[in-house]
Amino acid sequence: GESVGLHLPTLSVQEGDNSIINCAYSNSASDYFIWYKQESGKGPQFIIDIRSNMDKRQGQRVTVLLNKTVKHLSLQIAATQPGDSAVYFCAENGDDYKLSFGAGTTVTVRA
Amino acid sequence: GAGVSQTPSNKVTEKGKYVELRCDPISGHTALYWYRQSLGQGPEFLIYFQGTGAADDSGLPNDRFFAVRPEGSVSTLKIQRTERGDSAVYLCASSSGTRADTQYFGPGTRLTVL
Repeated sequence: GESVGLHLPTLSVQEGDNSIINCAYSNSASDYFIWYKQESGKGPQFIIDIRSNMDKRQGQRVTVLLNKTVKHLSLQIAATQPGDSAVYFCAENGDDYKLSFGAGTTVTVRA
Repeated sequence: GAGVSQTPSNKVTEKGKYVELRCDPISGHTALYWYRQSLGQGPEFLIYFQGTGAADDSGLPNDRFFAVRPEGSVSTLKIQRTERGDSAVYLCASSSGTRADTQYFGPGTRLTVL
């Protein structure tokens, strides 16, 4: 079946550097994509979303890029901080209401 | 404002017992979702409510799982005859109700079946 997946299970980044987390999706009917951050023992926390009629959206220190041609989604975090250490999930809504999640990327920020 | 809340935060039970997990959505949110997250995995969809009715229960693994939302607000996920394989974090989310609305998650209930 179709699903959302992340390219790398782990990412180690130096504090202050920029982070890029990648995600591939395969459902052509998806028109809404979301990035969530999950810290240990907590529920997923909304970071940023993007609709399929856009290719870029910026938030505070975060940018999401959507490439529909190759079905690729990325999350860029500027000036990564220790508090950014967490598991990051991309999710898509497919052609209905429920979200499909990938397995996640664990980001570790080195001091 | 208040976010999604879930109780209990942790539940330990014995195999074969019945458990209930509760979710209080964000006030005014008409859509409510239950997901299950196993260790090291992303959340997996269980059931979706629009108002009081279950609009999609295709993710429930078998008939031991059931969920209700009688007044269109609080929801309860019920698991009968629990099995060790039911051990996971059960997450609840709510949204305003349209298809591309942001789903906001609660902290989850960690269920451990001994």
